[in-house]
Formats: sequence, C-alpha cells, structure tokens
Amino acid sequence: QVQLQESGPGLVKPSETLSLTCTVSGGSISSYYWSWIRQPPGKGLEWIGYIYNSGSTNYNPSLKSRVTISVDTSKNQFSLKVRSVTAADTAVYYCARVHGQLWLDYWGQGTLVTVSS
Amino acid sequence: DIVMTQSPDSLAVSLGERATINCKSSQSVLYSSNNNNYLAWYQQKPGQPPKVLIYWASTRESGVPDRFSGSGSGTDFTLTISSLQAEDVAVYYCQQYYSTPHTFGQGTKLEIK
Repeated sequence: QVQLQESGPGLVKPSETLSLTCTVSGGSISSYYWSWIRQPPGKGLEWIGYIYNSGSTNYNPSLKSRVTISVDTSKNQFSLKVRSVTAADTAVYYCARVHGQLWLDYWGQGTLVTVSS
Repeated sequence: DIVMTQSPDSLAVSLGERATINCKSSQSVLYSSNNNNYLAWYQQKPGQPPKVLIYWASTRESGVPDRFSGSGSGTDFTLTISSLQAEDVAVYYCQQYYSTPHTFGQGTKLEIK
C-alpha cells in the first residue's frame, strides 16, 4: 500500500520560501507522476502542479513564477518550494500520486503551513 | 483554465434518501479520440485528505460502495449517492484532468437532514 507523508516547517515568515517534502513509502517513486495540492483553511482545493520521476514538471500558471517541484528518486521523495510567500499562501498542503497524469489516487494526510511574522 | 462549477454548495438529505451533486465544466472534458470524460469525483471528510471515488466520470474506484455512481458527459456531470448513510457526510469535489491546470470545483457540503 502506497503511503505519502508531508514534512516541513509549519510556520513561514512573509516574503520567505515555503519548503515541503513528501516521502513515498510502500512503492517506488519511479514511473509515476506526483503532485502538490493545497487547501486554504475552510476553502476548496487548488492544484499546484506535478512532476514525473524524470524531472519534467507542469505548474499551475497562477503560481508558476513562484513554485518549484523537484524529485529525488534515491530518497523516494519529491519536494515543493514556494517563494515570496504571503498570508494568501497559508493552507494545508497535500502531496499525492497522480494516476497516469490523470486523477489523484493516493494522498498524504496534509500539513498546515501558516504564513505569519 | 477550465472552470468547474458545482451545485448546490450545500445539501441536506435524510438517511436512506438519494443525494445528487452536479458539476459543470466551462468547456468539454470529453476526449473524442478515446470517448473518455476526463473527470473525477473526490470525497473529503473532516480532518482527512480527499479520497477518489469516481474517475472517467463513471468508473468507481476499487473499494468504493456501489451506492456511489457518476454520470454525465461533455460539460455536465452528476454524482449520485443512492441511499445516504451517516458515513457519507463530507464535502465532495469534482476535478477535471483534461487539461492543466487540473482544476477542482468549489465543493459541495453534504449533511444529514
């Protein structure tokens, strides 16, 4: 059974960089696409982007200028960086496996990141 | 971007009754070359991540009870729960994966009447 676990700081200061890592267990990170999604408190889901194990990426244009998703196949991990954060970036951040560039079939539990000074 | 609009925003249904949630996309998510609708439905219970229920608009994910069904094509889709159970209280989201960004609907909150 594939499991995903997000990790990273729960508090980030405005204008700094949010950094999260997703560790995949119970299966290889190879041959799949992997995605980040976020959910502001009490609100809906926003697709951030995805990465293939080769490193090819696809980002939401609304965030593309500030976001980088990377993969480390040796550690079975992929990561998210969001630069120049503001309070609007406060959200629960989820990592998920993408079934063939299509739907999201396995999700992490999510981690709340608060942007505040 | 494809805009996904769900209706209603919230819904209260009695136990054992049918619940129907609608999802409309701003452009067709039907891929003509394979006749598949690139649409999924997710269920999110409080404090939990979303869970996929339906993909290809009407295919149930393994382990999902058969009281959940999806229908529709092109731009108009429906998630139906045939006989509401207490454990179905959740927020439901549709998502298109026809084109990036893979956008979600705003969610429909389902409660017990």
